[in-house]
Amino acid sequence: QPVLTQPPSASGTPGQRVSISCSGRSSNIGSNTMTWYQQLPGGAPKLLIYRNSQRPSGVPARFSGSQSGTSASLAIRGLQSEDEGDYYCATWDDSLNAPVFGGGTKLTVL
Amino acid sequence: EVQLEQSGAEVKKPGESLKISCKGSGYNFAGFWIGWLRQKPGKDLEWMGMIYPGDSDTRYSPSFQGQVTMTADKTTNTAYLQWSSLKASDTAMYYCAKQGQWEPPSNWGQGTLVSVFS
Repeated sequence: QPVLTQPPSASGTPGQRVSISCSGRSSNIGSNTMTWYQQLPGGAPKLLIYRNSQRPSGVPARFSGSQSGTSASLAIRGLQSEDEGDYYCATWDDSLNAPVFGGGTKLTVL
Repeated sequence: EVQLEQSGAEVKKPGESLKISCKGSGYNFAGFWIGWLRQKPGKDLEWMGMIYPGDSDTRYSPSFQGQVTMTADKTTNTAYLQWSSLKASDTAMYYCAKQGQWEPPSNWGQGTLVSVFS
C-alpha cells in the first residue's frame, strides 16, 4: 500500500491544464521537499520535478510543482499527447527513514 | 551526463540464484547512494534499499531485508542486486537509481526485467 495518496487517473484535452494531487502526513510531505516522476509507456521513471518546484534541465516549463502542508500537486499546462503516461509523487519519510511514493496517476490525453 | 546502465532481462526458475548489475557513469559514482526499486505489473514503486559505493554502507527496507543483497564495486562503478533463491513473486522490473541520503531517487537506470517461473 503506497504511503502517499494520489488519484488513480486524470485526463484532459490537448492544450488544457491538469493538476495531480498528492497527500501525505507530517513525517513525509510535511517535513521534506517533493519529487515528481513521469513514466511513459514501456519506459523507466524520469525525474520531472525536485525540491517541490525545480525542473531538471530539459523538462519543459509547462510542468510545475507546488507543496503546502502535507499536500503537493503537479500541474501540467498546455497538455500534449506525448504527456500521456503515469505520474508519481515521492518524498523522504523521517519516520520510515526511507523514500516513499504515491501509487501513481495515469494521465490520459483525450 | 549521469547515466545508469542496467544488465539485461533474466528468465529464471524458482530456487535459482541471480545477480543483476547497474553501471554508473558521468558522475562521482562512489560519492552518491544507489537505490534499488521494484515495480510489479500494475505500477506501485517499492523502495528496496540503498548502498553507498564509497564504503558499501547499506540500508535495506524492512520488507526486503534478508530477501536480497546489495553490493557495489567502486573500482568499476557498478552496483549489484542479488538473490540466493528466487521465488515466483520476485517477478518484476527492477530499477537502480542515483539518490541522496535523505532524498528520493533522481536519475534512474532503464530497468532489468526479472521473470521467475517453473
